[in-house]
Order: sequence, then structure tokens, then C-alpha cells
Amino acid sequence: DTEVTQTPKHLVMGMTNKKSLKCEQHMGHRAMYWYKQKAKKPPELMFVYSYEKLSINESVPSRFSPECPNSSLLNLHLHALQPEDSALYLCASSQGLRGDEETQYFGPGTRLLVL
Amino acid sequence: AQRVTQPEKLLSVFKGAPVELKCNYSYSGSPELFWYVQYSRQRLQLLLRHISRESIKGFTADLNKGETSFHLKKPFAQEEDSAMYYCALGLTDKLIFGTGTRLQVFP
Repeated sequence: DTEVTQTPKHLVMGMTNKKSLKCEQHMGHRAMYWYKQKAKKPPELMFVYSYEKLSINESVPSRFSPECPNSSLLNLHLHALQPEDSALYLCASSQGLRGDEETQYFGPGTRLLVL
Repeated sequence: AQRVTQPEKLLSVFKGAPVELKCNYSYSGSPELFWYVQYSRQRLQLLLRHISRESIKGFTADLNKGETSFHLKKPFAQEEDSAMYYCALGLTDKLIFGTGTRLQVFP
């Protein structure tokens, strides 16, 4: 399996809901990432996990809560989101964080709409 | 501060014409540079990286440290090259993306 998969593909939620996004890879990669992408904009980094530990949090509001249960899985828990959080959420993975290992492979994304 | 600049939001060419998508970076260290492409309704994917010095789908990019540039070139554009192209700077732990250039290739 040489792909990053994300579920669900689409998600609509109210501002009081709690939901989770899921990302999975079976390439043996040790680094995983969450990005947020607004329409016609580049991806913005949210979180980086390295060897299942949170490495970077780019000052993301606490209504977004990442979780890395094991080396293949990455979750993003959502709670009390705002309409401006509506975006495409991308997951990526890489073999490592440096040099030849840092090429990132992206999932197809989850399109989130917050009402 | 580390930064990636793609000055053109949109580049339109006819099929068979040469293409150059510009990318400039600001970084004091030794850069790792990438070009990612996003075709319509497809995931963001790596096109090429400077360290591998290869040609993918006819595209090449040369790192020019003097001009701090990593422009993407193709001698003869094809309609299937129409997509969003992002230049990215690789730092330890993260990628910094440019704002992207949409390439439109007309028949």
C-alpha cells in the first residue's frame, strides 16, 4: 500500500458537534502531518508528529486536537468549530524529517463544512 | 525569515509552447526545494525535488543559489499539464509552500 488514505471524504458539522478526521498510511513512514487548505490557497501546516510524538503545533486553536495512536494512524478531533474552519484538511506522511526522508506524500483530503 | 515566492498566480500558454514557472526562496541555510502539483480533483503530489536532479513528465528545475531560484521549466507544454503548481522549501520538520501558480494550457 503506497498511499495515504483519509476518511471521511466530506464532513458537514454544526458548531456544537464533535467529530474526528482519520488518516492512515502503511508505508512505514515515521512522520505524519495535518494541513489546512482554503480554496485557491497553499496548504498551511497545523501539526507534525514524529515517531508518534507531537513535534510541531503551529499555534492551532485548541478546538483542533490531534492524536497519533500508532505509527500508521493520525486523527484530528474537532470540537466547537467555527464556520471559518471550513476547509480541505490534508494529511501527509514522510519517511522521516531530514534530507532524503523528508518528501511528503499527501492524502486526498477531507472537505469540511462547518455550519 | 524563510519564505517562498511564486510571483505569477496564473500562467496561460498554448500547447507546444515553452513553460517557465518561477520560484524564489529566502533561506540562509542549504535549501531543500520541491515542486508539488495538484491536478483538478486529485491529491497534491510531488513533481520533483532538486536533490534528485531528474526530469518528471518533461519538467526540470535547477537550483540557482546565486539567484535563490528554483524555476520549473518544460520545453513543450501539453494540455494535461494544466494544474496548480506549488514550490516548497523543506526545513527540518516542515514544508513552506509558495502561494502557487495555476498553469492553463490551451489547445
